[in-house]
Order: sequence, then C-alpha cells, then structure tokens
Amino acid sequence: AQRVTQPEKLLSVFKGAPVELKCNYSYSGSPELFWYVQYSRQRLQLLLRHISRESIKGFTADLNKGETSFHLKKPFAQEEDSAMYYCAAEGNQGGKLIFGQGTELSVKP
Amino acid sequence: NAGVTQTPKFQVLKTGQSMTLQCAQDMNHEYMSWYRQDPGMGLRLIHYSVGAGITDQGEVPNGYNVSRSTTEDFPLRLLSAAPSQTSVYFCASRLLGGAEAFFGQGTRLTVV
Repeated sequence: AQRVTQPEKLLSVFKGAPVELKCNYSYSGSPELFWYVQYSRQRLQLLLRHISRESIKGFTADLNKGETSFHLKKPFAQEEDSAMYYCAAEGNQGGKLIFGQGTELSVKP
Repeated sequence: NAGVTQTPKFQVLKTGQSMTLQCAQDMNHEYMSWYRQDPGMGLRLIHYSVGAGITDQGEVPNGYNVSRSTTEDFPLRLLSAAPSQTSVYFCASRLLGGAEAFFGQGTRLTVV
C-alpha cells in the first residue's frame, strides 16, 4: 500500500541548531515527493518539492531511493520555522497525493 | 484570483444530521481532493477527483460522498454525521503531474 511515514510527532530544538525532519515512503515506482508547511493560523502551503531540487527558507530535502527517504534539513533553525511540517507523495498513476502524519517543529529562543 | 474557497469555516452538527461542505477553485485545476486533519493522524485523504465526472476513494472514504459536476466545484457530503467525523476538513486543488497543491482555509466540524 502507498504510505508516507513521519516517525516524529514533535521535534524541539534551540535557535541556531541543525534540524532534520524525517520522512519515509512506501510506493511502487518513483513517486513525486513534497514537503508542505502549516504555520500558525495560515493555510497549508508548499515548502519544496524534489522535482525542483530547490532550497526554500534555508531548507533542503534529500531523496535517498535506497532507503526510500526524503528527509528535510536546515543547518541553523530560526524561531519563525516553528510550524507543522508534512511530507507528501504522489504516485505515478492517478495523481493521488498522500500525506504523512506530520511533525510539529518547535524552535526555542 | 480567490484560489481555493471553503465554506463554512465552522459548523456544529448533531449526530445523524446531514450537511455539505463546499469547495470551489478558480484556477482550472484538474485535481481536487478532500482531507481530514486529526491530531497525531496527519492529513488523511477522504476522496479525490482528477476531472469533472471522475471521483475516487481515498484512505478514509466511509461516511462521505462526493461528486464533481464541474471543474470548479467539489462538495463533500456527510449523509449522517457521527462524532467520529469531528475534525478539521481541508479541500485542495492542483494540476496533475507533480504540481503544487493549493489548500482552502479549512472547515472545523464538530459533531455532538
């Protein structure tokens, strides 16, 4: 079955510390992978996607096909990064977009 | 452009009542979907559609119906509300093929 797994419900770090939010996927073929973010009182929005290979707000995500992972990283966390982060995947057929359980990132001053 | 518009923002229902959550988008997106967001469960796909006249079930479809008569609208119907359907519901739309999904502001539904 298609599945996206985020093992950490909550990740708490201090400002300036490195951050890694974990994401593993279980899909046949090569899915398209995304990270979405929901800041307090705002709509869920796209942070970055693998196909673009971009860095947004200092975040990057590395695809490891061998480990079927797409972890999100930032070298130096900022307080404004505090939010709920969701990993998502779209399979090769049908366009269905599946999300993980979400990880709440809390960056303390 | 309004983007994705959901109505209502808040709703309280009694067990057994029916209602329809509305979702409209003005971006001519083929793909529309409904998710529910519950603590610790993340976003779970209820139903989705890849075009007018085409709908399919997601991960948690039971208790919900959808239809897609136009490209713009994708309503979600609860035929007989249950307390287990208390949740925050999000509608999203996107182009197919790896494109960004745009979300509505959410509907907070409480079933008592």
